[in-house]
Amino acid sequence: QVQLQESGPGLVKPSQTLSLTCTVSGDSISSGSYYWSWIRQPAGKGLEWIGRIYLSGSANYSPSLKSRVTISVDTSKNHFSLKLSSVTAADTAVYYCARDMAYGVADYWGQGILVTVSS
Amino acid sequence: QSVLTQPPSASGTPGQRVIISCSGSSSNIGSNYVNWYQQLPGTAPKFLIYRNNQRPSGVPDRFSGSKSGTSASLAISGLRSEDEADYYCAAWDDSLSGHVVFGGGTKLTVL
Repeated sequence: QVQLQESGPGLVKPSQTLSLTCTVSGDSISSGSYYWSWIRQPAGKGLEWIGRIYLSGSANYSPSLKSRVTISVDTSKNHFSLKLSSVTAADTAVYYCARDMAYGVADYWGQGILVTVSS
Repeated sequence: QSVLTQPPSASGTPGQRVIISCSGSSSNIGSNYVNWYQQLPGTAPKFLIYRNNQRPSGVPDRFSGSKSGTSASLAISGLRSEDEADYYCAAWDDSLSGHVVFGGGTKLTVL
């Protein structure tokens, strides 16, 4: 059974960098069979795709967030990470990590982690 | 403002058939598969339909998807109270080095 679990600070100050990690179990990032994605959802709003990464380190990012986002992968720990710089209150959201079958088809999702940007 | 356009709400009574639409453009729905997700209140989204009309194992055949040109739709037949949820369409967009775009979501109410 594939499981994904987000972890990281629930509170980040404005202008700082949001950092989250997604630990994968039941599958190996090293298999190279999937991409690994981040998606977020502000309270009461819709889903917003942030980006995805492949085993090789090749990544795709949302055009609207590209200048502030870095997604990386650590196969030794079977996890991948998200960094979002210069955050503002508009970045407050539940952040989900997900496994991407291909072309953004997210078949397994983490439970989500609420990140609040506030001083 | 979402790239894919969905109606904000839909409703139906138990047993009815409901259709949720999703409209895009040539760079997304027009040239790529459409996927659908169901999000029950307070939970993570669930993978519902992929590649326009494929159901993952465990998804009832009451749920079906279709695509035509730059639009897609999700049909739910034999509506049940547990189908009350938010539904999102998504597709790969070929523009700007490629990325995923979502619809704004449709809140389905079972009356």
